[in-house]
Amino acid sequence: NAGVTQTPKFRILKIGQSMTLQCAQDMNHNYMYWYRQDPGMGLKLIYYSVGAGITDKGEVPNGYNVSRSTTEDFPLRLELAAPSQTSVYFCASSSTPSGISPYEQYFGPGTRLTVT
Amino acid sequence: AQSVTQLGSHVSVSEGALVLLRCNYSSSVPPYLFWYVQYPNQGLQLLLKYTSAATLVKGINGFEAEFKKSETSFHLTKPSAHMSDAAEYFCAVSGINDMRFGAGTRLTVKP
Repeated sequence: NAGVTQTPKFRILKIGQSMTLQCAQDMNHNYMYWYRQDPGMGLKLIYYSVGAGITDKGEVPNGYNVSRSTTEDFPLRLELAAPSQTSVYFCASSSTPSGISPYEQYFGPGTRLTVT
Repeated sequence: AQSVTQLGSHVSVSEGALVLLRCNYSSSVPPYLFWYVQYPNQGLQLLLKYTSAATLVKGINGFEAEFKKSETSFHLTKPSAHMSDAAEYFCAVSGINDMRFGAGTRLTVKP
């Protein structure tokens, strides 16, 4: 099992450009999540998905979009990049929602994004 | 809503000394609590989790945590620090469909 994979590992964007961060998992998990990590701030949830075709906003969704056409893939789209989106982005997956059952989330290695 | 607070953004210990990383939680329902570790330039890895089966939870790499309801705490400990323990540690509490993380504690281990 590869677990949760993310591409690219690093990316530099100019202000106003768009890009898609890719995330895939091979554990047949229903739940998938996107977080951003800023220094000293922990992880903030951007979007999550409870299954193919179903997504919902997290704490900090502004400036991002997601889709979930398959169980395996959960891409994150930045439409008009802004310097405030400079961050490290982590994708995670879980077999069940953490609030119902204590199944942990599995994390990808992250994408480091810089917007200048 | 559930939340966690980690006390101390940086902790420094000598190799072989006790490691104590503090976490307090707030939850309106019995919580599920987690400790994750993040090594440089990597994702988060689960250290241990509290599921209400036992108040003292043992995890990987010699870490353990004790759930204390009266103190709303879930502190992480390790009796003897090793250089390889240097990393950032996150406490987290599960929500309805997500997980809420603390701001993290960076552990430095001095030789």
